[in-house]
Amino acid sequence: GENVEQHPSTLSVQEGDSAVIKCTYSDSASNYFPWYKQELGKGPQLIIDIRSNVGEKKDQRIAVTLNKTAKHFSLHITETQPEDSAVYFCAASVNDYKLSFGAGTTVTVRA
Amino acid sequence: EAGVAQSPRYKIIEKRQSVAFWCNPISGHATLYWYQQILGQGPKLLIQFQNNGVVDDSQLPKDRFSAERLKGVDSTLKIQPAKLEDSAVYLCASSLDAAGEQYFGPGTRLTVT
Repeated sequence: GENVEQHPSTLSVQEGDSAVIKCTYSDSASNYFPWYKQELGKGPQLIIDIRSNVGEKKDQRIAVTLNKTAKHFSLHITETQPEDSAVYFCAASVNDYKLSFGAGTTVTVRA
Repeated sequence: EAGVAQSPRYKIIEKRQSVAFWCNPISGHATLYWYQQILGQGPKLLIQFQNNGVVDDSQLPKDRFSAERLKGVDSTLKIQPAKLEDSAVYLCASSLDAAGEQYFGPGTRLTVT
């Protein structure tokens, strides 16, 4: 089955700086890569996703890049704000079926 | 639009006891998922329903876990008997269809002592 590895496990950044989280996947058939944000006491919420026919996608301060050859994808958050503090999960799936999640990255934005 | 509802939010039981969790998905969502999220890990899919039929339960420990989705709407997940390693947050999610965005509920935090 699919194995998704996520790094780093924790990330502390100064407010206004950028944060980058990286994930690798094992199944070359995977073609859908969503990112979720989980705040304390809440379920994960989709923040951005990318499909294998696209190399990069951006939504305001959040961007995701995908390198299919190397089988890795990354989340970039620019101009970080205190409300960006949360746990972020990457995931991978084949045709939107059966998401496999990474272990998560705890992001702390220091004021 | 109301989100995915789950109850209870917290549950503490002793090992070998039984427990049940309830999920009410977003209205109109045909697909319902149950995930197990162990502390420090990402969610792991336990079972996926399409309407009231099971699509995937390959990672459900069927000797102790069971789930049902009556009339294709609400769902319950049961553990009997519970083990210490079942301590986790149990997340329910729903989507319009099997390829749609998944919306997660707040989860039920289970502690087995």
